[in-house]
Amino acid sequence: ETAVFQTPNYHVTQVGNEVSFNCKQTLGHDTMYWYKQDSKKLLKIMFSYNNKQLIVNETVPRRFSPQSSDKAHLNLRIKSVEPEDSAVYLCASSQFRVNSDYTFGSGTRLLVI
Amino acid sequence: GDSVTQTEGQVTVSESKSLIINCTYSATSIGYPNLFWYVRYPGEGLQLLLKVITAGQKGSSRGFEATYNKEATSFHLQKASVQESDSAVYYCALRWGFNKLTFGAGTRLAVCP
Repeated sequence: ETAVFQTPNYHVTQVGNEVSFNCKQTLGHDTMYWYKQDSKKLLKIMFSYNNKQLIVNETVPRRFSPQSSDKAHLNLRIKSVEPEDSAVYLCASSQFRVNSDYTFGSGTRLLVI
Repeated sequence: GDSVTQTEGQVTVSESKSLIINCTYSATSIGYPNLFWYVRYPGEGLQLLLKVITAGQKGSSRGFEATYNKEATSFHLQKASVQESDSAVYYCALRWGFNKLTFGAGTRLAVCP
């Protein structure tokens, strides 16, 4: 099956802990993204990687760090989570060319208590 | 920066009735971005519903249509007769070339039998 796979689906943690989310795509794409969907359901891009190189880094707190081992994987680590980090994190992939479609994963829901 | 504004909150429509979800955009670049409608069905990931990459054209899929009105900078989503299976969250989005997708806040569609 070719798709974008995210783990875990759901994670509950306490303020100050470190969390890590995994994303893998089997579509042969060369570009991957992390989006955050907040409590108001707004979807905003956080990071984008092309062939393991960071190409988009929106204004996000320094406690967020993406990690890419190869073009099929893009993980997201959050050091010392805060309550406002509670959200759904969506991973996506595409080819780095004009009009290439995105494919999204099913998301990781993070709850910080 | 760019922004996308769409019908807020939830829209409730009776089965077999018509639907319109409004979407307008504001862009800082000169020219015409690509426009998209994404849909998230309950329990599933975000998926592309339709797209239009040429201003003035119409896109269609699964009975849904959207026309790219470059003068009004709008891309309203319409369907003549909705079904219960259309119940989902719909997102309007824009993209310049191979840059990031910018999303609206999403509109939840509830179709009543």
